[in-house]
Amino acid sequence: NAGVTQTPKFQVLKTGQSMTLQCAQDMNHNSMYWYRQDPGMGLRLIYYSASEGTTDKGEVPNGYNVSRLNKREFSLRLESAAPSQTSVYFCASSEAPWSNQPQHFGDGTRLSIL
Amino acid sequence: SQQGEEDPQALSIQEGENATMNCSYKTSINNLQWYRQNSGRGLVHLILIRSNEREKHSGRLRVTLDTSKKSSSLLITASRAADTASYFCATEYSSASKIIFGSGTRLSIRP
Repeated sequence: NAGVTQTPKFQVLKTGQSMTLQCAQDMNHNSMYWYRQDPGMGLRLIYYSASEGTTDKGEVPNGYNVSRLNKREFSLRLESAAPSQTSVYFCASSEAPWSNQPQHFGDGTRLSIL
Repeated sequence: SQQGEEDPQALSIQEGENATMNCSYKTSINNLQWYRQNSGRGLVHLILIRSNEREKHSGRLRVTLDTSKKSSSLLITASRAADTASYFCATEYSSASKIIFGSGTRLSIRP
């Protein structure tokens, strides 16, 4: 049971570099989400995809872009990384958006921007 | 921002004791969820309680919801070392299609 798989697990970037975080789920869920978790804070929503073909901004979208490649995959791209984007990034999925549905999380990508 | 807030921020108890953590929120909700996060791992869903429910149980977990006080509590009975983790409440607000996570309670179980 893979659930939600995130790659890579760790990454160090220099300021200004770009990278894409990958996420895939094998639960046939319709909705997928990207969060960031900073020390002492809860998860903050960056972007979400309620269903294949749609994406919407969350609470902290600036500096990020997303692509819902297909029903299984949802990627997060940092076009020009900044030190403020140092964080742990989590991908999650659920059967439907919100609507009393629990979310299933991957184990995160730990990203450091130097 | 609208956010559930857990209390206490950190809790250390002896193995076998009960652990209680609380969550407060600000406006009307559709549901409130509790998640557990072990060190270095993703969040794991524990229990969801809807706004019209007052109490739910799952194994050693008991969750209560008081909508008049805008608060919820998570009780873990007969704690074990494996319960050491951070616990987060997440509120789905009626007015917005999103879930807001609190900053969590760090629970440590002493042997």
